[in-house]
Amino acid sequence: AQSVTQLGSHVSVSEGALVLLRCNYSSSVPPYLFWYVQYPNQGLQLLLKYTTGATLVKGINGFEAEFKKSETSFHLTKPSAHMSDAAEYFCAVSFSGGYQKVTFGTGTKLQVIP
Amino acid sequence: EAGVVQSPRYKIIEKKQPVAFWCNPISGHNTLYWYRQNLGQGPELLIRYENEEAVDDSQLPKDRFSAERLKGVDSTLKIQPAELGDSAVYLCASSLGGALAKNIQYFGAGTRLSVL
Repeated sequence: AQSVTQLGSHVSVSEGALVLLRCNYSSSVPPYLFWYVQYPNQGLQLLLKYTTGATLVKGINGFEAEFKKSETSFHLTKPSAHMSDAAEYFCAVSFSGGYQKVTFGTGTKLQVIP
Repeated sequence: EAGVVQSPRYKIIEKKQPVAFWCNPISGHNTLYWYRQNLGQGPELLIRYENEEAVDDSQLPKDRFSAERLKGVDSTLKIQPAELGDSAVYLCASSLGGALAKNIQYFGAGTRLSVL
């Protein structure tokens, strides 16, 4: 069965510092991987996704993630945190081969300190 | 283009009462999802529709939960009777559909249910 593990339910960074949110997945077949962001009292919004091809994926708001098969990871990074990045971030996994359910991680709440 | 619209945004009820949530997906999206998001958790799928057909309802507690998507557009999720443990945010999402897992799901803002 597929699953995702997000390390750290809360992460705090200073404004302007590097953001690193960790995600490891478990899948017996090549995965599709997603990062979603959820602002308070809002639904989830897709930041970026990996399906096939280039392993470094760029998303919205300056975020990017790299698919590393050998490490079964899909960590989310941003070089310089902005106050507006404060939100909850969810990693999710699915896989190819017809319709497959998307499984979400438990989320990481990012706090940006001025 | 309007996004996924859900109503109400908030609902407070007493246990054993019924409650219903409504979702209008993005126009042209054939696939509709209902998720439940408990506090501090990620969304968990309750039911998925392809047009008007419920193709995955394996996680829907059928003793008290029901859903419908008449005419394959908007959808209603109902709980009757509600229990304390049903307190959560209920999210609706839609996607273009078809058997492509990489289809992007677009989420509504959710309905926050509090059962007292």
